[in-house]
Amino acid sequence: QVQLQESGPRLVKASETLSLTCRVSGGSISSYYWSWIRQPPGKGLEWIGYVYYSGPTNYDSGTTNYNPSLKSRVTTSLDTSKNQFSLKLISVTAADTAVYYCARGAFPPYGSRGFDSWGQGTLVTVSS
Amino acid sequence: EIVLTQSPGTLSLSPGERATLSCRASQSVRSSYLAWYQQKPGQAPRLLMYGASSRATGIPDRFSGSGSGTDFTLTISRLEPEDFAVYYCQQYGSSPYTFGQGTKLDIK
Repeated sequence: QVQLQESGPRLVKASETLSLTCRVSGGSISSYYWSWIRQPPGKGLEWIGYVYYSGPTNYDSGTTNYNPSLKSRVTTSLDTSKNQFSLKLISVTAADTAVYYCARGAFPPYGSRGFDSWGQGTLVTVSS
Repeated sequence: EIVLTQSPGTLSLSPGERATLSCRASQSVRSSYLAWYQQKPGQAPRLLMYGASSRATGIPDRFSGSGSGTDFTLTISRLEPEDFAVYYCQQYGSSPYTFGQGTKLDIK
């Protein structure tokens, strides 16, 4: 059974860069779509973007797709040697304070089950 | 972007009762790529249903999903104490993937 675990700084200063890593165990990161999803305190869920392995010609950084609302500030990448993927969000503000989840997307050709595995989530607070 | 609207916002019921949660999309969801998640306080969401009507692994059969196009429903046939939580629908048929705002199911 695949397990996901987020790690990274819990406190980020405004205007700086939020960086998180999700380590995947119990399965290979070379399949599936690997997503970041966030949830501001007391609010709903927002998909940030995904990365998937598209072959060795892409230097293992993966192919990405982002939510247009965050696209100008987001970068995701994966590291197949460490079986993990990462999120970077630049120029953060208080509005980026949220619980950040990493999740596995079972989308075609890897099934059609939506986000079928989630990390426990990590609260990142943006301070002024 | 497909906007998902869930209703009601809060549903107050007693254990043993039947719960019906609605999710309406602003445009048709491709291939019924519609999922439902359950979230309890302090926990990550858990996949309940996918493809509108397929139960995820380990989900009891009191949970069922239906619908297509723009209208979807999650039904819990007989509520157990552990079912009181927040439920989200989510579409993964077109990017950006979007979630509904959630329905809170609480104990009456």
